[in-house]
Amino acid sequence: NAGVTQTPKFRVLKTGQSMTLLCAQDMNHEYMYWYRQDPGMGLRLIHYSVGEGTTAKGEVPDGYNVSRLKKQNFLLGLESAAPSQTSVYFCASSSTQGLMNTEAFFGQGTRLTVV
Amino acid sequence: KQEVTQIPAALSVPEGENLVLNCSFTDSAIYNLQWFRQDPGKGLTSLLLIQSSQREQTSGRLNASLDKSSGRSTLYIAASQPGDSATYLCAVRGWGNDMRFGAGTRLTVKP
Repeated sequence: NAGVTQTPKFRVLKTGQSMTLLCAQDMNHEYMYWYRQDPGMGLRLIHYSVGEGTTAKGEVPDGYNVSRLKKQNFLLGLESAAPSQTSVYFCASSSTQGLMNTEAFFGQGTRLTVV
Repeated sequence: KQEVTQIPAALSVPEGENLVLNCSFTDSAIYNLQWFRQDPGKGLTSLLLIQSSQREQTSGRLNASLDKSSGRSTLYIAASQPGDSATYLCAVRGWGNDMRFGAGTRLTVKP
């Protein structure tokens, strides 16, 4: 039972490089989220998706793009990495049961350093 | 825009004490509220989920309450243990299904 899997777990980028973080969930969840967590701060929402083919902006979307071409995958892209994007990135997913939202499950995080 | 605040930012207690962590939010039109635990360098572990129609949820030594009208939730931990030391985060889900977090309370339980 994998749950939510993030790839890669660690990455070092040079300023200006691009990369894609992959989030995969095997629970058939409708909702998926990308967050970043910086030291001493809580999680800040970057983008989220309420279903396949949909995306929406969160609190800190600038510099990031996302895609949800398949229900089980949510990709986070950095087109031109900046040192300010050094952070730990978390992906989450959740579903609904009737009218009730269920709890969110998180991946183990991706530690990204931009030098 | 939903703002989530957690007080205190850090808390240190001796083992065995009962304690309360607070979470407040500015927009009372929420779908649910979830409490998480995060150990250093690790991901988030779900503790309790309270739907907007519920007043409280309990799991073992943990009890979470929700007062939507006042925009507050509390997490009560009974008989604290050193293994409870972690950062506790609350997350509020709005009607648009975005989920916003507080900055967390860093708890230390001393033996």
